[in-house]
Amino acid sequence: EVQLVESGGGSVRPGGSLRLSCAASGFTFSNYEMNWVRQAPGKGLEWVSYIGRSDKDIHYADSVKGRFIISRDNAKNSLYLQMNSLRVEDTALYYCARERLPCSGDCLDYWGQGTLVTVSS
Amino acid sequence: QSALTQPPSASGSPGQSITISCTGTSSDVGGYNSVSWYQQHPGKAPKLMIYEVTQRPSGVPDRFSGSKSGDTASLTVSGLQAEDEADYYCSSYTDSNNFYVFGTGTQVTVL
Repeated sequence: EVQLVESGGGSVRPGGSLRLSCAASGFTFSNYEMNWVRQAPGKGLEWVSYIGRSDKDIHYADSVKGRFIISRDNAKNSLYLQMNSLRVEDTALYYCARERLPCSGDCLDYWGQGTLVTVSS
Repeated sequence: QSALTQPPSASGSPGQSITISCTGTSSDVGGYNSVSWYQQHPGKAPKLMIYEVTQRPSGVPDRFSGSKSGDTASLTVSGLQAEDEADYYCSSYTDSNNFYVFGTGTQVTVL
């Protein structure tokens, strides 16, 4: 059974940092492209970042570019999101999601349950 | 890059059909066959319903169908059922600064 389990969320002051993790199981993690998607309380979905099967192909939303860093460790079946210079507007539930194979576009076929990040003074 | 435009709400009676639109530009919806649709029930993670404009993942009922014309994609739900009441989001690859972009979301109510 495919499982994605996020962790690392919490409360932080503006300007602070957090590192989110996503533990994957039930599939060959190294074969899949992965994404982070967030959802502010009561708001819609916002795509945050993408990483290819290795770390050679990486993309970020303009809203987090220069502040967030996505990475993966295929040996540990894990996806990460290093979040620096956090802002109040980064407050959201952060989901890790797998891209379906084959796929043209996002095709996010499995999602975790999310980890909540709250940025507040 | 702005979000793709969806109507805030849509509704229908059980058994009826509804169609949700998702309007973008030639840089995203209109330029690529890379539109996906997601269903999200309250407090739950999104679920992939349609990918590559018209494709249904296994397990998704064939009551759900997707299409595209120009810069607008559409999701049609036929034979509406109570469990279809949820929020629906479209998404697309984009060749603008971002990589993927989601729609603004549509709340579907089954009357």
